[in-house]
Amino acid sequence: ETVMTQSPATLSVSPGERATLSCRASQIVTSNLAWYQQKPGQAPRLLIYGAFTRATGIPARFSGSGSGTEFTLTISSLQSEDFAVYYCQQYNNWPWTFGQGTKVEIK
Amino acid sequence: QVQLQQSGPGLVKPSQTLSLTCAISGDSVSSNSVTWNWIRQSPSRGLEWLGRTYYRSKWSNDYAVSVKNRIIINPDTSKNQFSLQMNSVTPEDTAVYYCARVLSGTFTNWGQGTLVTVSS
Repeated sequence: ETVMTQSPATLSVSPGERATLSCRASQIVTSNLAWYQQKPGQAPRLLIYGAFTRATGIPARFSGSGSGTEFTLTISSLQSEDFAVYYCQQYNNWPWTFGQGTKVEIK
Repeated sequence: QVQLQQSGPGLVKPSQTLSLTCAISGDSVSSNSVTWNWIRQSPSRGLEWLGRTYYRSKWSNDYAVSVKNRIIINPDTSKNQFSLQMNSVTPEDTAVYYCARVLSGTFTNWGQGTLVTVSS
C-alpha cells in the first residue's frame, strides 16, 4: 500500500506567521491528495482535495500544492483556530491511506 | 447538509463483538455516487481505514486486509444507516471509531466518533 509520510511531526509557529507542512507519498498519487484538519475531541475535517482545491467554507489562507509524490499545505497567516493536527490522505492507489499527521502548535 | 450520527457501546470485553451504527441524514445509504466507510484512530495506528459499503446496481463491500476476517459492514436501507461489526476483539482494537461518507476518494463528512475500549 502507499505509505504517506508527513513532516515535521510538530511545527511550532507564532500566530500570524506562515506554516508549511509537507507530505510525501511512497508511490505516485498524481493529484489525488487531500488534507484534513483535526482539533482535539473532534473528527477530521476536509480542507483540500485534488491537491489544491479548497473544500466548501475553507478560508483562502489555506492552500495546497504539489503533484506526483511531494505535496505541501501552507497556512499563510496562522489564526488561533488553526492550531490543530493536519493529515494528508491519498486516494489514487487502493487502499486509500493517511499520513501520521503534523501537529501545529503555538510557539 | 449531510450529517452522520454514530451510536453503540463504548466498552467491549475481549473476544466479544464490537457493534456500531451510523445514521445518515441529508443523503441516502443507497446513493450511487458515494461510499460509506468506517475508520478508526489510535495513537499506535493513526487513522486506519477499515472498510466500506456502497451501492452500484448491487451492494458491495471492501475491507482492509488487517481486519478482513473479523469485520462486516452492512447497509440498512429501511433506516438509512450502516453498521460495523468486528468480532474477536482484543485490547489492540481500542480506538476512536468514525463513520464517514466518501465522495470521489475524499472523506467529506464524518460522524462524531465513538471511543471503544476493549477491556474486561
